[in-house]
Amino acid sequence: GAGVSQSPRYKVTKRGQDVTLRCDPISSHATLYWYQQALGQGPEFLTYFNYEAQPDKSGLPSDRFSAERPEGSISTLTIQRTEQRDSAMYRCASSLASGEKAFFGQGTRLTVV
Amino acid sequence: SQQGEEDPQALSIQEGENATMNCSYKTSINNLQWYRQNSGRGLVHLILIRSNEREKHSGRLRVTLDTSKKSSSLLITASRAADTASYFCATDWAQKLVFGQGTRLTINP
Repeated sequence: GAGVSQSPRYKVTKRGQDVTLRCDPISSHATLYWYQQALGQGPEFLTYFNYEAQPDKSGLPSDRFSAERPEGSISTLTIQRTEQRDSAMYRCASSLASGEKAFFGQGTRLTVV
Repeated sequence: SQQGEEDPQALSIQEGENATMNCSYKTSINNLQWYRQNSGRGLVHLILIRSNEREKHSGRLRVTLDTSKKSSSLLITASRAADTASYFCATDWAQKLVFGQGTRLTINP
């Protein structure tokens, strides 16, 4: 696609529910990143993919968080049994290769009530 | 923990003045990048400087990199109200892109 697309833009969920966020990267980009950003803070690294491989998931806060990119294009971030502390902006970015210029989507704002 | 740290955390200047913000990092890098974020919106890439480069320009932006001191600076010349935003440095640490906490820049008319 022309840019990085994330959906939904906003998600409100009840504590304990599972949520899945979606990222559609720029089509030619090998690398896809997921970040969590709290208000007034910088993006915190969660995980990244090179095509379908997931070399680093060290930033995922707990085993409730998981991400997939099964065909090396679209990726999903799933949070199981959501907690209020999971409320944040979740940002996806893609780049031609890892560590290179990244293009960000508009993010998904998750609110857990 | 974050690889990069920006300084200052906040900066307020008059329109037309120059703004300088700094970034320090901890480990060796292949490149360092600067991004801008307006009011909680998406991050936009500004400039990338590689480890074998010392200075780079793009329009009103000037970036320097000192690998011996593990630091970089971003200079915005002749600031405009539209430059009001948060600015983040990012380093390619361990094959991933890691961001600092940012400098919040306010340009006063």
